[in-house]
Amino acid sequence: SQQGEEDPQALSIQEGENATMNCSYKTSINNLQWYRQNSGRGLVHLILIRSNEREKHSGRLRVTLDTSKKSSSLLITASRAADTASYFCATDTGGGGADGLTFGKGTHLIIQP
Amino acid sequence: DAGVTQSPTHLIKTRGQQVTLRCSPKSGHDTVSWYQQALGQGPQFIFQYYEEEERQRGNFPDRFSGHQFPNYSSELNVNALLLGDSALYLCASSLGPGGNYGYTFGSGTRLTVV
Repeated sequence: SQQGEEDPQALSIQEGENATMNCSYKTSINNLQWYRQNSGRGLVHLILIRSNEREKHSGRLRVTLDTSKKSSSLLITASRAADTASYFCATDTGGGGADGLTFGKGTHLIIQP
Repeated sequence: DAGVTQSPTHLIKTRGQQVTLRCSPKSGHDTVSWYQQALGQGPQFIFQYYEEEERQRGNFPDRFSGHQFPNYSSELNVNALLLGDSALYLCASSLGPGGNYGYTFGSGTRLTVV
């Protein structure tokens, strides 16, 4: 079963605009991770935010986490054509990490030049 | 420094056959996890190997089995292939089973069952 649910399913914006994707989950987590996937190939790790953190930045990426609402958001500022990809949130529910990550279905982001 | 390497890249098998997929983890990583990603879906956790043992398994039948070698590389075996096993199979490595610093994924093996 998939715990995470990204919203929207698809997003198309102009280059230079900001893109925001949201993720909701159902159970308590140890951490939440965001990944990018280009054209159905491997996933690239973007950011990991722990359950006791509220916000994290990495370059043009900003991730927030609200454990009371069981939700997270990924903001990409000043988007570029190369940001076109699918973005997934994944939750680690603990258990020493051996339970694996639980992914949502992803948000497909298209950046129009 | 090589990342995660998976082989083969693409594979076509016939229903009922058996398949073996291979994964070499990123240098310095000792834990390997396998995921199945159907078209249009997010990856689903199959199992994880650490210290040459299967530590945890997702909701997959016994037809899916694996192995980890002393050099930390891993194999995923699927027996009695079904059409529904067609998917992208992703290998992810980490330092320790906790994955507290994120996972490094390979580019995947695209399996098509006909």
